[in-house]
Amino acid sequence: NAGVMQNPRHLVRRRGQEARLRCSPMKGHSHVYWYRQLPEEGLKFMVYLQKENIIDESGMPKERFSAEFPKEGPSILRIQQVVRGDSAAYFCASSLPTRAPYEQYFGPGTRLTVT
Amino acid sequence: AQSVSQHNHHVILSEAASLELGCNYSYGGTVNLFWYVQYPGQHLQLLLKYFSGDPLVKGIKGFEAEFIKSKFSFNLRKPSVQWSDTAEYFCAVNAAGNEKLTFGTGTRLTIIP
Repeated sequence: NAGVMQNPRHLVRRRGQEARLRCSPMKGHSHVYWYRQLPEEGLKFMVYLQKENIIDESGMPKERFSAEFPKEGPSILRIQQVVRGDSAAYFCASSLPTRAPYEQYFGPGTRLTVT
Repeated sequence: AQSVSQHNHHVILSEAASLELGCNYSYGGTVNLFWYVQYPGQHLQLLLKYFSGDPLVKGIKGFEAEFIKSKFSFNLRKPSVQWSDTAEYFCAVNAAGNEKLTFGTGTRLTIIP
């Protein structure tokens, strides 16, 4: 049973470009979470999605960031017009739609570097 | 808002030494508590979790943690560490009914053979 998959593992973008990060949850998991880890900091929650719904986006920056989890296909975290401060590791986690609290399984992360 | 503190940023131990990593959280309500481990080059893995019941929980690889509600603590312990325990350890908490996890900044553990 494959774990949570994220791609790309490393992404380099110039300032002003768009970054698209993909997350495929574990088989049977319909809940997806995105976290960001800045250098020397712990992981910070960004957004929690279920299929076709955003449940909690309280950690998402107000501008340039968006996330989706369509009925088919992976979850996408999209960062428009990237800036140097967006350089970080972005982790995706998924969980089963069973009785809460949900146990989250993490992917390997995408390391975004903005030059 | 809840927060998690891990006071030890880097811990260095010899093999067979005992380990205790501190974790304190601030939140007044009911919480779920987790310890995750990230081995070099690998993704985060769940070591153990506390949801309710016995405050002493046992996880994989001989790790255990004790929830002390009065101290808002969830310290991780292992009686005898191995070189393969070298990794970064993260404590995390979420409020009951809220799935988003709040993480500590992590503790890097280095075991010397």
